Amino acid sequence: AQSVAQPEDQVNVAEGNPLTVKCTYSVSGNPYLFWYVQYPNRGLQFLLKYITGDNLVKGSYGFEAEFNKSQTSFHLKKPSALVSDSALYFCAVRDTRNSGNTPLVFGKGTRLSVIA
Amino acid sequence: SQTIHQWPATLVQPVGSPLSLECTVEGTSNPNLYWYRQAAGRGLQLLFYSVGIGQISSEVPQNLSASRPQDRQFILSSKKLLLSDSGFYLCAWSVTTGSYEQYFGPGTRLTVT
Repeated sequence: AQSVAQPEDQVNVAEGNPLTVKCTYSVSGNPYLFWYVQYPNRGLQFLLKYITGDNLVKGSYGFEAEFNKSQTSFHLKKPSALVSDSALYFCAVRDTRNSGNTPLVFGKGTRLSVIA
Repeated sequence: SQTIHQWPATLVQPVGSPLSLECTVEGTSNPNLYWYRQAAGRGLQLLFYSVGIGQISSEVPQNLSASRPQDRQFILSSKKLLLSDSGFYLCAWSVTTGSYEQYFGPGTRLTVT
């Protein structure tokens, strides 16, 4: 079985400070990992993914995420937060052992508020 | 490039009325298609997914149904809406090779009164 956890419902950070949104996962095989962002009343937007290779993945809008196999984590990071980064963030996982027709498993989401 | 459309964008329906939400994808062939519901701006609940025309998998028993009459068309329906059906409905598609990431439509806000 595959699962993903986002331990924080809410993260508050001051503008200009670094931000981290946490994600841990559980799979039987190797993971494909994803981050999405959702602005109010909009669909989810794909930010970045980890498939294989370099553990540090760079994505859209200056975001990056670090894959840590020993800690089964895939935390989302940004060096300097913007007020416009305020949104709902979702982590998702797919077990590479599963058929490609198996849907992604999403975390419950973390609301990021960047305060000016 | 690929695009995904959903309509309507917003919908207000009385309890007991029927429902039909439509999702179409352009620029790709034979995608996997998904319907999700999101309540109160929080987590996603997977409702249905489809790997081909006429092939529907249901994740949650409820009074909703889904159909895929064409390769790139996915429809969510109900014969009689309940108050609990209110929410934000999201359609998504994914490629069927590689990493299978999903791409989401703009969503439909449904309010059942």
